Amino acid sequence: DIQMTQSPPSLSAAVGDRVTITCRASQNIRSYLNWYQQKSGKAPKLLISTASTLQGEAPSRFSGSGSGTDFTLTISSLQPEDFGTYSCQQSYMTPFTFGPGTRVDMK
Amino acid sequence: QMQLQESGPGLVKPSQTLSLTCTVSGGSVSSDTYYWTWIRQPAGKGLEWIGRVYSGGTTKYNPSLESRVTISVDTSKNEFSLNLDSVTAADTGVYYCARDLRWGAPHFDPWGQGTLVTVSS
Repeated sequence: DIQMTQSPPSLSAAVGDRVTITCRASQNIRSYLNWYQQKSGKAPKLLISTASTLQGEAPSRFSGSGSGTDFTLTISSLQPEDFGTYSCQQSYMTPFTFGPGTRVDMK
Repeated sequence: QMQLQESGPGLVKPSQTLSLTCTVSGGSVSSDTYYWTWIRQPAGKGLEWIGRVYSGGTTKYNPSLESRVTISVDTSKNEFSLNLDSVTAADTGVYYCARDLRWGAPHFDPWGQGTLVTVSS
């Protein structure tokens, strides 16, 4: 299986801060990397697919980058509704696997 | 807009079978564009992909669960189901159903709201 790691496991940030979350795959997954946002008690919501494609109604302050094994999710200016847990997921091969998540809470 | 909704018992006894159904509205499970997927999340932990089914019945499972899991689709009811045999406390968690893209780069969207299943006697 492809192992996904994320850093940091958690972070505290203030509204308006720029936030960066890193995801690393145990092998080359090209750009088959998705990002999800999950709020407490709710289902994950797709934010970004194929490493950098913003999905649906996701705000433009979210952006993704990377390819191969190293990926980044950036929130350019953190908003109150952005607090929650962010998880990466590789869709390069089954079994699809997720990172452990990065919890973003209020400083 | 498509919506998915999980249903099933919230409490299952150890060694028994966990059975959940995902009802799809606003779209058809017969579409050849999508896979229909189950994902779970133990409390306080990360997400685990369980497996998927296509409308034609073709399945793919996580090898870690393959010996115990069956996913099936019922096009007449526009729903798909999960059966997990011989459950233990380690199978406790929130179970989600989701749609997965069959062509191109897979991704899960939308998701059901999730249903908590507790394995306990």
